[in-house]
Amino acid sequence: GAGVSQSPSNKVTEKGKDVELRCDPISGHTALYWYRQSLGQGLEFLIYFQGNSAPDKSGLPSDRFSAERTGGSVSTLTIQRTQQEDSAVYLCASSLVQGNRGQYFGPGTRLTVL
Amino acid sequence: GENVEQHPSTLSVQEGDSAVIKCTYSDSASNYFPWYKQELGKGPQLIIDIRSNVGEKKDQRIAVTLNKTAKHFSLHITETQPEDSAVYFCAASKRSGNTGKLIFGQGTTLQVKP
Repeated sequence: GAGVSQSPSNKVTEKGKDVELRCDPISGHTALYWYRQSLGQGLEFLIYFQGNSAPDKSGLPSDRFSAERTGGSVSTLTIQRTQQEDSAVYLCASSLVQGNRGQYFGPGTRLTVL
Repeated sequence: GENVEQHPSTLSVQEGDSAVIKCTYSDSASNYFPWYKQELGKGPQLIIDIRSNVGEKKDQRIAVTLNKTAKHFSLHITETQPEDSAVYFCAASKRSGNTGKLIFGQGTTLQVKP
């Protein structure tokens, strides 16, 4: 079946511009996660959505980062006033229910801030 | 805070040999430990996971062991093949509140030489 999809696959932007990254989770998965992977680094948790519960935003690095999930499905991660240190691969994952269930990742969006 | 340490950072083996990657975690409340394989330009792929009520789990050529007392877990790959070459990540999470966020290790680059 279809996996997690993300768009765009690559995004190049200029410092100071806003960007929006999109994630389509696996159908029926109620939990959705965003992670960031900097060059040669591990994955860093950003934000988590589960159903109608308040999202866990504890991993967002600054108030320039925000995310929303509409209708319990598609999610958008927005980065305002991008900085060069925001350059990374942004990965989305989804799972059936919260907590200890397998998280399945999309291919990621590679963001480059010039 | 929560932390996962992973070793070694790089591992080179001959085809047919075994490979072992080790991780330690800091949060004793962690109760779920997945392993991911990431190939170049792709998102991480879940290959095996273990929960804290189990000491060992095996799936064909891969196995994971967990020592809760020592707070460490390991990935074992037997009869390695060139297609096993990739970056492997361990992770840990706990069922706490409303999140199942994963804390990742820094990754191990495995090279299997034909």
